Amino acid sequence: DIQMTQYPSTLSASVGDRVIITCRASQSIRTYLNWYQHKPGRPPKLLIYSASSLQSGVPSRFSGSGSGTDFTLTISSLQPEDFATYYCQQTYSTLWTFGQGTLVE
Amino acid sequence: QVQLRESGPGLVKPSQTLSLTCTLSGASIRGGYYWSWVRQHPGKGLDWIAYINYSGTTHYNPSLKSRATISADSSKNQFSLSLTSVTAADTAVYYCAFGSGTSAGLAVWGQGTSVSVSS
Repeated sequence: DIQMTQYPSTLSASVGDRVIITCRASQSIRTYLNWYQHKPGRPPKLLIYSASSLQSGVPSRFSGSGSGTDFTLTISSLQPEDFATYYCQQTYSTLWTFGQGTLVE
Repeated sequence: QVQLRESGPGLVKPSQTLSLTCTLSGASIRGGYYWSWVRQHPGKGLDWIAYINYSGTTHYNPSLKSRATISADSSKNQFSLSLTSVTAADTAVYYCAFGSGTSAGLAVWGQGTSVSVSS
């Protein structure tokens, strides 16, 4: 299985901060990497697909980059509604896996 | 607009089989999509369970050790998850989701259904 590791597990930030979350794959996944935002009591929301493509309707302050094994999700200016848990997911393998999540508080 | 809605028992006894259904609206199960189940244990992260694609190919999380079966019913525009021999470790919120391809992510999710395994 491809293991996905996110850094950090918890991130303390303030409104207006630039936030960067890292996701590392245990082997190359090319750009088969997606990012989700998850808030309690709600379903996950797709933010970024194929490592850097912004999902329709997602604010442009969210961006993704990377390829191979190292990826980042950047929130350029944190907004109050962005406090949530963020997950990366690889779909390169037929056995999909999520990272363990990064709580932005 | 594609919408998904999960339905299930809420409470299942240990050793029984959990059956969940995801009903689609605004899209056809016959479309060129990927249909998936994901769960979240209490206080934990997201766990991918399985997916079925437009050609009927299925893949499963190996941690489930062949207890899971995902299937699609085009006549009802639904897809389902069956999980046998459940234990307390299967207590979770279960989500169904769909994406247009393996590089497109899971763009649409159901609201989730909470399942407890308890006698």
